[in-house]
Order: sequence, then C-alpha cells, then structure tokens
Amino acid sequence: EVQLLESGGGLVQPGGSLRLSCAASGFTFINYAMSWVRQAPGKGLEWVSAISGGGVSTYYADSVKGRFTISRDNSKNTLSLQMNSLRAEDTAVYYCAKCIVAAGRSYYYYGMDVWGQGTTVTVSS
Amino acid sequence: QSALTQPASVSGSPGQSITISCTGTSGDLGGYNYVSWYQQHPDKAPKLMIYEVSNRPSGVSNRFSGSKSGNTASLTISGLQAEDEADYYCTSYTTSTTLVFGGGTKLTVL
Repeated sequence: EVQLLESGGGLVQPGGSLRLSCAASGFTFINYAMSWVRQAPGKGLEWVSAISGGGVSTYYADSVKGRFTISRDNSKNTLSLQMNSLRAEDTAVYYCAKCIVAAGRSYYYYGMDVWGQGTTVTVSS
Repeated sequence: QSALTQPASVSGSPGQSITISCTGTSGDLGGYNYVSWYQQHPDKAPKLMIYEVSNRPSGVSNRFSGSKSGNTASLTISGLQAEDEADYYCTSYTTSTTLVFGGGTKLTVL
C-alpha cells in the first residue's frame, strides 16, 4: 500500500525553526517528484514547495522562498521541509504529496495523487 | 501569484449535474494544460480527481470530468451523489514555475 506519513509539526515561536519529515512507503520513491501543500485553519489549500525525483530541482512559492528548504533522502525514502524564520501566517496543516506519473514521467505540476494525513504547525508566542 | 478564481459555493440535487469553474490568466491556467482538481472532505486530506485538464486517475468515478477553454477550466460532476458533497480545488502550473490553487468551492448536495 502506498503511504505517506508526516511528522515534526508542533508549536514554535515567531522567528523560530521547525523541520518536517514525510516517510514514504509502498512505491519506488526516487521515481516520483514530491510536493508540500499547506492549509491554514479554515482556509484553502496553498502549494508550498516541490522537488524532483532525483532531488536536483527544487521549487518554492513566493511566500516561503528564502525561508523554507525542501530536500529528500532517496536512500531512506524520506522527504523533508526545513522551515526557518517562521511567521504567524505559516500556521497550517502541512501535507506531503506524491506527484503523479504521466507519459512515464513524474513532474510536480502533473498532479498529486497520494497525500499524507498532515502535520500541524502552529506559530505563536 | 494570485489565486485562481472559483465560486465560493455551488449546489445541486442528487442525480443532477453541476459544473465548477476555475478562472486564471494566460500566465497560468490559460497557458498550460497542467490543471488539476482535488476533492476534500472535512478534516481529510485532498484527493486527486482530475489531472492535466481532463484525465482521471485510476479509481475515480467517470461521473467526474474536466475541461478547459481559454483561461477557464471546469469540473463537471454528473449524477450527483450525497458523497460528492465536499470542497473542490483547482490548481495550475504558472510561468513562475510555481503551482497556484483556486480558493475552493463548497459543493452542497441538496
């Protein structure tokens, strides 16, 4: 069974840091681009970041560029999101998502077909 | 990057068809065929319903279909069922190599 399990969420003060992890299982991790998507309380979905299967290419929303860093360890089937200089507006449920394969390739903009259950990040003093 | 524009809510009776629109610009939705649609039930993770404008992932009912014309994409649900009641989000690739979501549409099955 294909599964994604996020961890690392919690309460952090403004300006602080947090590292989210996403453990993947049930598929050949390196073959798929991966994304992080967040949802603030009572709000809609917001794409945060994406990374190619090999980890060479990374992409960020303007709202997090320069503060967040996405990475992956394909030997451990793990996706990570390092979040620095956190702000109140970063408070959200953070989902990791596997990007779909189409025409034999997996690009982050194709679509996200498997999602984790989410981990909650709260930025507050 | 501004969010794509979706109606806040739509409704329909069981068995009817409804369409949810998603409007962007030539810099995102209008310029690429990388439009996806997601269904989200309360307190659940999103589920991919449509990718690349009109493709359905394996396991998604053929009652769900997608299309695009110019800067507007549409999700149509035919034969509306009670379990279709959920929030729906569109998303598109952009010229800035980012993804942008719509604000979401709450579907109510009357």
